[in-house]
Amino acid sequence: EAGVTQSPTHLIKTRGQQATLRCSPISGHTSVYWYQQALGLGLQFLLWYDEGEERNRGNFPPRFSGRQFPNYSSELNVNALELEDSALYLCASSILTGGRTEAFFGQGTRLTVV
Amino acid sequence: GNSVTQMEGPVTLSEEAFLTINCTYTATGYPSLFWYVQYPGEGLQLLLKATKADDKGSNKGFEATYRKETTSFHLEKGSVQVSDSAVYFCALSPWGAGNMLTFGGGTRLMVKP
Repeated sequence: EAGVTQSPTHLIKTRGQQATLRCSPISGHTSVYWYQQALGLGLQFLLWYDEGEERNRGNFPPRFSGRQFPNYSSELNVNALELEDSALYLCASSILTGGRTEAFFGQGTRLTVV
Repeated sequence: GNSVTQMEGPVTLSEEAFLTINCTYTATGYPSLFWYVQYPGEGLQLLLKATKADDKGSNKGFEATYRKETTSFHLEKGSVQVSDSAVYFCALSPWGAGNMLTFGGGTRLMVKP
């Protein structure tokens, strides 16, 4: 069974541009989480989607946005890129089973803003 | 709200030393508890989990016991290897729908030969 897949693996953008990151969850998983991991820091929660709706949002400016499609895949969009947006962006998917949730992570997209 | 607190790193050990990484949590009800590991340049991998009090999760020589009375889930390994060098994240998942994962800040482990 395929795991969580993220694309692209690496992305280089210029300051002011837009970046689009994609995530395909494990088959049957309905929740997708996005995290930002800047160099040397922990995971910063960005967004949580479940059943196509945004359930929660971290403390990030509105230029960070996303959506979840009917097939539960997800996009993260970052507008007006700034140098400090350079980070590893991690996606995780999960499913609620018997009241319990377990998340599985993709390998991440390394975004570099120059 | 829910929260997870981990000991700050980096933790530097010699090969074959005993490892403990402390993790405490705050949550209502009966959350599931997890340890994830992130090797350099990679995403997070689930290392072990426990879903109820007194459960012991174990994998690759690592162990952690769900202690409800002390709200803790400390990670231990009897003899670390250089290949265990990574960042370790403690996390919780509350019971029921409509609840999201909460992660600790991560602890970097460096094992020297």
